[in-house]
Amino acid sequence: AQSVTQLDSQVPVFEEAPVELRCNYSSSVSVYLFWYVQYPNQGLQLLLKYLSGSTLVESINGFEAEFNKSQTSFHLRKPSVHISDTAEYFCAVSVDSSYKLIFGSGTRLLVRP
Amino acid sequence: KAGVTQTPRYLIKTRGQQVTLSCSPISGHRSVSWYQQTPGQGLQFLFEYFSETQRNKGNFPGRFSGRQFSNSRSEMNVSTLELGDSALYLCASSPTKLEGNTEAFFGQGTRLTVV
Repeated sequence: AQSVTQLDSQVPVFEEAPVELRCNYSSSVSVYLFWYVQYPNQGLQLLLKYLSGSTLVESINGFEAEFNKSQTSFHLRKPSVHISDTAEYFCAVSVDSSYKLIFGSGTRLLVRP
Repeated sequence: KAGVTQTPRYLIKTRGQQVTLSCSPISGHRSVSWYQQTPGQGLQFLFEYFSETQRNKGNFPGRFSGRQFSNSRSEMNVSTLELGDSALYLCASSPTKLEGNTEAFFGQGTRLTVV
C-alpha cells in the first residue's frame, strides 16, 4: 500500500532563514507528488506538483521541491522564509493517475521574527 | 472562475442525527473527492465521484455516503452521527484527466461538530 511520511511534525525557523520540509513516500508504481499548504481555518492550496519531466519543480512564491526516485523523497525547500509562510504543509501522493490523494501527517512551519 | 464552494461552513449536530454536506466544483470539473481531516487521523480520503459514479472509496463505514448530480455538484451524507465524526470535511474537484494531470482544487471545508 502507498504511504507518505513527513518526518517533522513542527519546524521552527527564524525569518529569512532557509528551510527544508521532508517528505518520503512508498509506492511500487508510478506516482504523482504534491505539496499543499493550509492556513488556519482554510482549505488546502496547491503549492507545487510533480507529474513528470524535470525532477525540480518550483512554485511562484519561492518554494521548490525535488523528486528523488531512488530515495523516494520529495522534500520542500525555501532559501529564505517570511512570517507569512507560517502554516501547515502537507505532502501528498496519487498513484497511477488516480484522483485519490494519500496525505502525510503534515508539518507545521513556524516562522519567528 | 469561481473556486470550489462548500456549504455550510460550520455545522453543529447531535449524536445520532444525520447530516448532509454540499460541494459545488469548479465549472467544467467532473471529478469530486471528499476528505475528512481530524487532529488524530489527519487527512483521509472518503470517496471520489466522476460523472455521477463513485470510482474510489476510502476505508470508512457505510454511514458515510455520497452522490454526484448531473451538474457535477456533490453531496455527502453521514448518518447516525458519532462524536468521532467531528472533523473538517474537505471537498476537492479535479479537471478531466489529461496526460495524467490529477491536480485537485480544494474548498474551504465544512467544520462539523457533533455534541
